[in-house]
Amino acid sequence: LAKTTQPISMDSYEGQEVNITCSHNNIATNDYITWYQQFPSQGPRFIIQGYKTKVTNEVASLFIPADRKSSTLSLPRVSLSDTAVYYCLVGPNTGGFKTIFGAGTRLFVKA
Amino acid sequence: NAGVTQTPKFQVLKTGQSMTLQCAQDMNHEYMSWYRQDPGMGLRLIHYSVGAGITDQGEVPNGYNVSRSTTEDFPLRLLSAAPSQTSVYFCASSRGDRGNFNSPLHFGNGTRLTVT
Repeated sequence: LAKTTQPISMDSYEGQEVNITCSHNNIATNDYITWYQQFPSQGPRFIIQGYKTKVTNEVASLFIPADRKSSTLSLPRVSLSDTAVYYCLVGPNTGGFKTIFGAGTRLFVKA
Repeated sequence: NAGVTQTPKFQVLKTGQSMTLQCAQDMNHEYMSWYRQDPGMGLRLIHYSVGAGITDQGEVPNGYNVSRSTTEDFPLRLLSAAPSQTSVYFCASSRGDRGNFNSPLHFGNGTRLTVT
């Protein structure tokens, strides 16, 4: 599985857009990029997945440049309830088979 | 659908005791896995299963056993509990059918285990 590097923590204020970047220099051709969100005392929750360019859903957007060596999770207009840990996973089987989670990025949203 | 259900929510064990953490899913998912999460840390994979009758070890399998007799259930057994096994345990499942292992993982709400 490709190694990922993401910031340990980030702070933001309500209403701001938050961008969390994940580096994955060794990404392989058949690797996907998947992001999960984890609230305290809960299991992680799937947010978004992409292979290249841009993916958008009702929760977030995922931007992937042409070389795919990094990706950026964008959360529009965050609220206090977006305070959570965000995990970036890269691999051919990031939905299941031997999925490995790193330490993630702790996002604190302030009022 | 209830999704992924874990029981119990909380458990306290004495060192040396054994117990089974239960995990059940009603989504007909082929793939199931167990993770542990220590305070302030990410998740570490304990064991996983790609289908009924098939299990394999993850990153930290020592001290734990699993079996997968049905598609729905994937219990995790602690053979002889140790204080180092104090953690929050999460069970997860995903479709994984026909090799499509990029289906998102669905997690349960965890079991908080304390070993004294």
